[in-house]
Formats: sequence, structure tokens, C-alpha cells
Amino acid sequence: DAGVIQSPRHEVTEMGQEVTLRCKPISGHDYLFWYRQTMMRGLELLIYFNNNVPIDDSGMPEDRFSAKMPNASFSTLKIQPSEPRDSAVYFCASNLGYNTEAFFGQGTRLTVV
Amino acid sequence: GNSVTQMEGPVTLSEEAFLTINCTYTATGYPSLFWYVQYPGEGLQLLLKATKADDKGSNKGFEATYRKETTSFHLEKGSVQVSDSAVYFCALSKETSGSRLTFGEGTQLTVNP
Repeated sequence: DAGVIQSPRHEVTEMGQEVTLRCKPISGHDYLFWYRQTMMRGLELLIYFNNNVPIDDSGMPEDRFSAKMPNASFSTLKIQPSEPRDSAVYFCASNLGYNTEAFFGQGTRLTVV
Repeated sequence: GNSVTQMEGPVTLSEEAFLTINCTYTATGYPSLFWYVQYPGEGLQLLLKATKADDKGSNKGFEATYRKETTSFHLEKGSVQVSDSAVYFCALSKETSGSRLTFGEGTQLTVNP
């Protein structure tokens, strides 16, 4: 398996535009996580899915953020409209369940200008 | 709620020096504990883990012992190398919280030749 694959690696967009981040988890992993990393706030869990169902989205900062997992091999994180304070590195991760290793993608570096 | 606290960074050492990065946690019951490492421009990857009290996790010369009495999981390495320069994250998970990981703030380690 190629690991968790995220796209794009870098995204620069203007304030007010819609941004869609994509993630392909490792095949067979039941859990998928979206994290955001900033210098000020560190790593924050935004939302996670179990078997494609959102379990906890309490970390999603605002209604501007939404996430979907239409099938076991694909998830999206959408920001609409984007704002400069959304600039961060967004990571997707997946694992088999409790106590198992979480595998992270290389992240998407988002810059909103 | 669950939380993880790491020693403040950044940490700068000379090659072959001894490393300790402190990590303490707050959680009820018996969480599983992890250390993840993030190299520049990459996602996090598991370094080691321990799932019950007095367990010692080890990998690549790094060690950490799960101390229930002090709620700690300090990371140590006897002789660091330049290639160990990275950000280190302590994390916990609990079965009652599903598969989610709660991360500490991260500690930047720089090893100079």
C-alpha cells in the first residue's frame, strides 16, 4: 500500500474562495481522521470517521468547514468560504482501530491570502 | 477530559548527548500512550507505544516507560544523532474515546554535529 495519500500538497487561494482537500486512506483501515496543525495551536483533531460515518466533529471550527467520506477509500475536507486564519497544514490519518498505529499523509499546506 | 502535556521546547543538543523529553498525561483509567515523530515536511509517524502500566516501548534507540504512579511517559535516548532532529509528539488514546489520539504540543529537537 502507498500509505495515506493527500492532495494537493500545497494550495494557495484567495480569501472567500472554496477549498477542497482530499484524502485516500490505507485500504482496510476503518478509521479516518482530519487534523489541522498550526504553530499557535499545535495539532487539532477536526473530525473523524468510523466505517465512513462521522463519529465526532466537535473539533470543526465553524460551519465553513465540512467533511465527507462517501466511501471507504476517499474523504474530503471543504472550507467555504476560506479565510486567512484557515492557513495551516491539514493532515489526514487512518488506522485499524483503538491501540493501532495511526498512519499520516504528508499533509496539505494551505495558504489563504 | 484527556490531555497530554510535554516539556517546553525547543531542545538543542550536540551529537551523542543524552535526550529526555518529558510527557505527562491526564486521563481516567488506563490509556494507551504513544510517541510520534515528525520530520521536516512530512506527516507524523509512530516511534513507539506502550499499552499498560510499566510497559516499556522502544524503537531506534528511543525508549519510554509507562509510569502510572506519576502519569508520565518520558522519551529518552542515550546518544542522539543529527538525523534525530525532528518534532516529537506524545499522545494518548482511550478505548472509550474510540480510536482518536490526543496529542501534546510537540517538542522541536535539533541535534548539532
